[in-house]
Amino acid sequence: GDSVTQMEGPVTLSEEAFLTINCTYTATGYPSLFWYVQYPGEGLQLLLKATKADDKGSNKGFEATYRKETTSFHLEKGSVQVSDSAVYFCALSPSTGRRALTFGSGTRLQVQP
Amino acid sequence: KAGVTQTPRYLIKTRGQQVTLSCSPISGHRSVSWYQQTPGQGLQFLFEYFSETQRNKGNFPGRFSGRQFSNSRSEMNVSTLELGDSALYLCASSPQGEFNQPQHFGDGTRLSIL
Repeated sequence: GDSVTQMEGPVTLSEEAFLTINCTYTATGYPSLFWYVQYPGEGLQLLLKATKADDKGSNKGFEATYRKETTSFHLEKGSVQVSDSAVYFCALSPSTGRRALTFGSGTRLQVQP
Repeated sequence: KAGVTQTPRYLIKTRGQQVTLSCSPISGHRSVSWYQQTPGQGLQFLFEYFSETQRNKGNFPGRFSGRQFSNSRSEMNVSTLELGDSALYLCASSPQGEFNQPQHFGDGTRLSIL
């Protein structure tokens, strides 16, 4: 079945550091890929998406590129802020079959001032 | 545009009871999905409704059920509650539930079983 693997956290960075959170997936066909962010006590917020190979999703300084050849969708940000501290989830939506998101286990990011 | 609204935000129940959670999707969205989030299992899909019909179902026991009304609002019911049902239950909506459409989540209902 479909699966998403994320790097283990927590990831601790200083403000203005470069962020990479790795995400790889297993799925048949051409899934759509998403990054969601969850702040304490809240639900999931869509951060960015990509629906086909080589698409780059971007939002609020975060970027991720859909790499079909490496089945990856790594999240990057050039300069993190304390306000970016949250849990980040990589997710896929299949191209056929059951309409359901498959999530990675989440990566907690802690940004220190 | 108002987001996805879930009520109540918090619930405390005891084993054996039943509970009903409510979700109002974004206006115009017809697909509503439910997910369970726990520290041990992460985010797991429960079911999806579209036009008042359950279109997809995850691997949960029959104690978990849901329905959708003609205005797209959805409810989820859990009967004979067990300690392991303690979780954050998240509702998500999308316009048509197409595969490449992102789902928009509410803030969830946190259910605690004593």
